[in-house]
Amino acid sequence: EVQLVESGGGLVKPGGSLRLSCAPSGFTFSAYSMNWVRQAPGKGLEWVSCIYPSSSYIFYADSVKGRFTISRDNAKNSLYLEMNSLRGEDTALYYCARGNQGVFDMWGQGTMVTVSS
Amino acid sequence: EIVLTQSPGTLSLSPGERATLSCRASQSVISAYLGWYQQKPGQAPRLLIYGSSNRATGIPDRFSGNGSGTDFTLTINRLEPEDFAVYYCQQYGSSVFTFGPGTKVDIK
Repeated sequence: EVQLVESGGGLVKPGGSLRLSCAPSGFTFSAYSMNWVRQAPGKGLEWVSCIYPSSSYIFYADSVKGRFTISRDNAKNSLYLEMNSLRGEDTALYYCARGNQGVFDMWGQGTMVTVSS
Repeated sequence: EIVLTQSPGTLSLSPGERATLSCRASQSVISAYLGWYQQKPGQAPRLLIYGSSNRATGIPDRFSGNGSGTDFTLTINRLEPEDFAVYYCQQYGSSVFTFGPGTKVDIK
């Protein structure tokens, strides 16, 4: 079955850190760019970061630049998002999404990150 | 950064009617990198249209997309009960992806 499964979310205090993971299955992970997209409660979708298949190119939204780090391990079939200096506005459901021709053609079910004291 | 605006914010229609959703960009978008998504409550988004007019795998032909430059449209012919949801447009350009704020299609 083709799927993406996120993990690592939770409750963290402002200024804290968290590492999200995404486990793909059912497709050749190393052939695709991968992304993190988030959705604050009751709000719309916000792209967070993109990493190319060989990690040669990495992009971030301005809202997370300098605080978040995306990475991947193709040998372990895993995608990661290291989040530091977390703020209340980072509270959201974080989706792992496969990139394909400029769109996101596969999504996980998301992992919730709550930043609160 | 390209800003996407969607209208209307909410569209109230009955099953069987046609829905026309608009997505307008603050500057010209590469049509090949324009997509539409459907999201139902408690679910992840689902890709409907890519390349502004191509249906994704498994998407019924009542969904169609068109447009170019700064104006794009998603049309849903003959609304089915399962089509009532929120729809987002999204574009990619200059190493940035942006989404529109969404249009909610609800039952009249």
